[in-house]
Amino acid sequence: EAQVTQNPRYLITVTGKKLTVTCSQNMNHEYMSWYRQDPGLGLRQIYYSMNVEVTDKGDVPEGYKVSRKEKRNFPLILESPSPNQTSLYFCASSLRSRGLAGASSYNEQFFGPGTRLTVL
Amino acid sequence: EDQVTQSPEALRLQEGESSSLNCSYTVSGLRGLFWYRQDPGKGPEFLFTLYSAGEEKEKERLKATLTKKESFLHITAPKPEDSATYLCAVQASGGSYIPTFGRGTSLIVHP
Repeated sequence: EAQVTQNPRYLITVTGKKLTVTCSQNMNHEYMSWYRQDPGLGLRQIYYSMNVEVTDKGDVPEGYKVSRKEKRNFPLILESPSPNQTSLYFCASSLRSRGLAGASSYNEQFFGPGTRLTVL
Repeated sequence: EDQVTQSPEALRLQEGESSSLNCSYTVSGLRGLFWYRQDPGKGPEFLFTLYSAGEEKEKERLKATLTKKESFLHITAPKPEDSATYLCAVQASGGSYIPTFGRGTSLIVHP
């Protein structure tokens, strides 16, 4: 079954304790991204990756790190979590396609089930 | 800067009462417009992609349409199971191809 998996699904932690949320996809997608979703603010992109070893900042990257050592995995790292990082996090992946003149295009995104993080 | 605005923020319908959700966008050039459905506490689920003005796509009670400035998601004779948040996202033709999401429309269909 084609899917994006995230772990853990729920996490309660304390300020300053490093944590990693894993994300894995089995669809051989080039593009992967992390979002956080907060009431009234919608989905905001944290980081994205267009391929292995290629990552870039999204709209709200402060306090987060990512890595893309393998095509299927894209972990999100919080080195020193703070209460304002309490949120619902989603990982997503997308297939890259080539359009006119070889320009890249990214198709619809497949989202993981979400990780609800609470930082006390 | 690319912008996506969805309206209304929330919509309550009676079962069978058809309506439309709006997604207006401002981008330098549109590569694609995406509609997603999101149930509470779950990840968004892809519904449609529209690429050019005049294009329409249908799936069960949902029909998405696209103009040069906005997209509509028409819901015909909705059922309670259509209750969800509907998200719109646009992908611009220039730059990084990263989609910009609207804040969504929360739809509740009462039986």
